Amino acid sequence: KQEVTQIPAALSVPEGENLVLNCSFTDSAIYNLQWFRQDPGKGLTSLLLIQSSQREQTSGRLNASLDKSSGRSTLYIAASQPGDSATYLCAVRPGNAGNMLTFGGGTRLMVKP
Amino acid sequence: EAGVAQSPRYKIIEKRQSVAFWCNPISGHATLYWYQQILGQGPKLLIQFQNNGVVDDSQLPKDRFSAERLKGVDSTLKIQPAKLEDSAVYLCASSGLATEAFFGQGTRLTVV
Repeated sequence: KQEVTQIPAALSVPEGENLVLNCSFTDSAIYNLQWFRQDPGKGLTSLLLIQSSQREQTSGRLNASLDKSSGRSTLYIAASQPGDSATYLCAVRPGNAGNMLTFGGGTRLMVKP
Repeated sequence: EAGVAQSPRYKIIEKRQSVAFWCNPISGHATLYWYQQILGQGPKLLIQFQNNGVVDDSQLPKDRFSAERLKGVDSTLKIQPAKLEDSAVYLCASSGLATEAFFGQGTRLTVV
């Protein structure tokens, strides 16, 4: 059974810092991995989708990397801003392209002005 | 492109009452998911539909929860009777085959 872990569970940083959020998964046979953002009381917003054949994806100040063999992904946020404060979740899809998404517990990020 | 629509946004009920949630996925998305998210945790899959067939409902408490997806489009999730531990946010999502998943705003359920 796939298990997804996100460390740290919470993170507080001053504005302007570059930071890294970690996601690890136990079964490396994944099809793709997706990073989401969740604001308090809201649904999930898709940030980046990385296919298993890809090493990284970039969108603006966000960069997500994938090391499938070691079961790890990182989300890099450059020049953090108070508006980046939210919970960040990663989710993996199994290697048989079955559509089930398994989520980690999330990292709660607070960026202080 | 319209997103995933869910209603209601909030619901407060007493334990042992019943409640239903509705979801309209993105047009053309064959896969529809219902997730339960307890405060401070990641979403947990309750049920996954492919068109109008169930792909995975292994974590659905079938003694009280039921879900259907008529005509492979809209879906409803029902809880009857509700328990205090059912208090959570219920999230609906849709996707194409192994493509990016999109989520609705969720329904926050409080059971008192």
